[in-house]
Amino acid sequence: GAVVSQHPSWVICKSGTSVKIECRSLDFQATTMFWYRQFPKQSLMLMATSNEGSKATYEQGVEKDKFLINHASLTLSTLTVTSAHPEDSSFYICSARGLAGGVGIGNIQYFGAGTRLSVL
Amino acid sequence: ILNVEQSPQSLHVQEGDSTNFTCSFPSSNFYALHWYRWETAKSPEALFVMTLNGDEKKKGRISATLNTKEGYSYLYIKGSQPEDSATYLCAFIGIKAAGNKLTFGGGTRVLVKP
Repeated sequence: GAVVSQHPSWVICKSGTSVKIECRSLDFQATTMFWYRQFPKQSLMLMATSNEGSKATYEQGVEKDKFLINHASLTLSTLTVTSAHPEDSSFYICSARGLAGGVGIGNIQYFGAGTRLSVL
Repeated sequence: ILNVEQSPQSLHVQEGDSTNFTCSFPSSNFYALHWYRWETAKSPEALFVMTLNGDEKKKGRISATLNTKEGYSYLYIKGSQPEDSATYLCAFIGIKAAGNKLTFGGGTRVLVKP
């Protein structure tokens, strides 16, 4: 099956530093990648959608200058949390979709295992 | 804001027992519903993609039904085993969802006791 690798799995950083999270599709080309955030006891909330070679589309309320997304190739997307603060501490998870959407299995998203970010 | 809800939030099941839980979603503008299984420290894994009213899907001891007219889906686990312990997520796609993005429910956490 399709595998998505996400690194790091957890990171602790000091307030004010930037943190980069990588999401790689290992055995398929991901035309679209998604970044989610999950607060404790809440559902996965979509932050942004990125398509290879174009700018990411951010959901309402998500600061694009705070959460920089780069999808430079069909197998790699990165999320950079810039000037992280304690309120950015959360669980971040990416997913990738290989086909161009449509109904049925073409819409399945393949997930990484997530990154736990703690900002001190 | 789309309202996708799952109930119960958690449940404990004795090994060998069967169980089921619910995902409710907007009945209008339905496009598709996904079910994912998420074990602790692992990646969420797709179980089912459901698109038609009345759909029934099955994978081993796990099955799901779909009622788009009333806006709910049930997921069933027959003869629960400890390895079924996981969080089960449903995700809704509306017909107008840009990029076919998923809106997730909060999940049902299932713990199967030996």
